[in-house]
Amino acid sequence: DVKVTQSSRYLVKRTGEKVFLECVQDMDHENMFWYRQDPGLGLRLIYFSYDVKMKEKGDIPEGYSVSREKKERFSLILESASTNQTSMYLCASRSRGRRTEAFFGQGTRLTVV
Amino acid sequence: KQEVTQIPAALSVPEGENLVLNCSFTDSAIYNLQWFRQDPGKGLTSLLLIQSSQREQTSGRLNASLDKSSGRSTLYIAASQPGDSATYLCAVESNTGKLIFGQGTTLQVKP
Repeated sequence: DVKVTQSSRYLVKRTGEKVFLECVQDMDHENMFWYRQDPGLGLRLIYFSYDVKMKEKGDIPEGYSVSREKKERFSLILESASTNQTSMYLCASRSRGRRTEAFFGQGTRLTVV
Repeated sequence: KQEVTQIPAALSVPEGENLVLNCSFTDSAIYNLQWFRQDPGKGLTSLLLIQSSQREQTSGRLNASLDKSSGRSTLYIAASQPGDSATYLCAVESNTGKLIFGQGTTLQVKP
């Protein structure tokens, strides 16, 4: 079975902290994505990676960075957490081919206080 | 810029009813369209993927259709059950490889 695993279901962090959200996939997929989901705004793409060490900005990259040192792992980093980054964060992966399914992790609910 | 719209935003039906969820997109140059289900507080589960060259896909009680020229897709759910209650999202893959999502339709199926 296909699996995308996010390291935490729930996180509570303080304003100004550096936060790491980890995502691991076991399908040997080239493409990985980070989204945030907010009521009324839907899913918005933060960053995506199409290969190891490769990354591309999505629609809302400000305040975030990413790291992809290994093919199976894609990390989202909040350099200095702020309350407006309180959200549900979703990781996804997909094979490189253009006509392939995307698979999502279970989500991380991050609260910044 | 590609925009994806789902109507209605919410839907409540009695158990056993057949129903249709709608998804429209502004740019017909898509590679594929995918339907997802999301339960409250959870991640997304892939339901069906329709490639741009296909007209429809079926899985059990679900049938998804795609009309690229009119920028529309529908998800048909037959004989709805309370367990079908969830938010249903559609997403199109653009020529940049990104998935662009609609805001979803929240479905409640009443016993």
